[in-house]
Amino acid sequence: DIVMTQSPDSLAVSLGERATVNCKSSQSVLDNSNNKNYLAWYQQKAGQPPKLLIYWASTRESGVPDRFSGSGSETDFTLTISSLQAEDVAVYYCQQYYTTPPTFGQGTKLEIK
Amino acid sequence: VQLQESGPGLVKPSETLSLTCTVSGGSISTHYWSWLRQSPGKGLEYIGYVYIGATTYYNPSLRSRVTMSLDTSKNQFSLKMTSMTTADTAVYYCARIAVAGEGLWFDSWGQGTLVTVSS
Repeated sequence: DIVMTQSPDSLAVSLGERATVNCKSSQSVLDNSNNKNYLAWYQQKAGQPPKLLIYWASTRESGVPDRFSGSGSETDFTLTISSLQAEDVAVYYCQQYYTTPPTFGQGTKLEIK
Repeated sequence: VQLQESGPGLVKPSETLSLTCTVSGGSISTHYWSWLRQSPGKGLEYIGYVYIGATTYYNPSLRSRVTMSLDTSKNQFSLKMTSMTTADTAVYYCARIAVAGEGLWFDSWGQGTLVTVSS
């Protein structure tokens, strides 16, 4: 199975500031035949299920605010929140779907400083 | 589309867990449907998927214990997991795979149901 490792485990950022979450896969999730990275990002608020934010590493899901963006390729990926809002407090997960079974990172807890 | 899990919250060790996911607001015939679980110790873990025509995939780590099925007449799909142990205590989620054949990412989730394995 591909192992997904996120950093940091937790993060405190001031309102309006940029927040960055990193995700590293144990092998490349880039399919060279279509130039797509098989990586998704989710947000999970307390007591709720995960919510899809981004897929194909950088495609925002419909309805997701544009302050959320994804970048990276092959084994190294980043989720960026450009200007942190209070409602962004949550745990964020990356997930690869390049191979089966799909696997998730351990999560990064984002709090307000 | 909305998904809702149902089933027992408490299962005894060695027994079989049976969960159902009811899908509303869309047809169950147009997507692949998955089960996942989340526990403090193992994080988010993929269990498998089911599609019409009895197409299934199970995580190899759970394959010997898992069966999934789909009932188009009720717009439901289900999970059975045998030989439950305390290590299977988790919140179980049903979820929809976003685009059939494109990749296993999940665009709709149920609220989750806590399953505790205890005697």
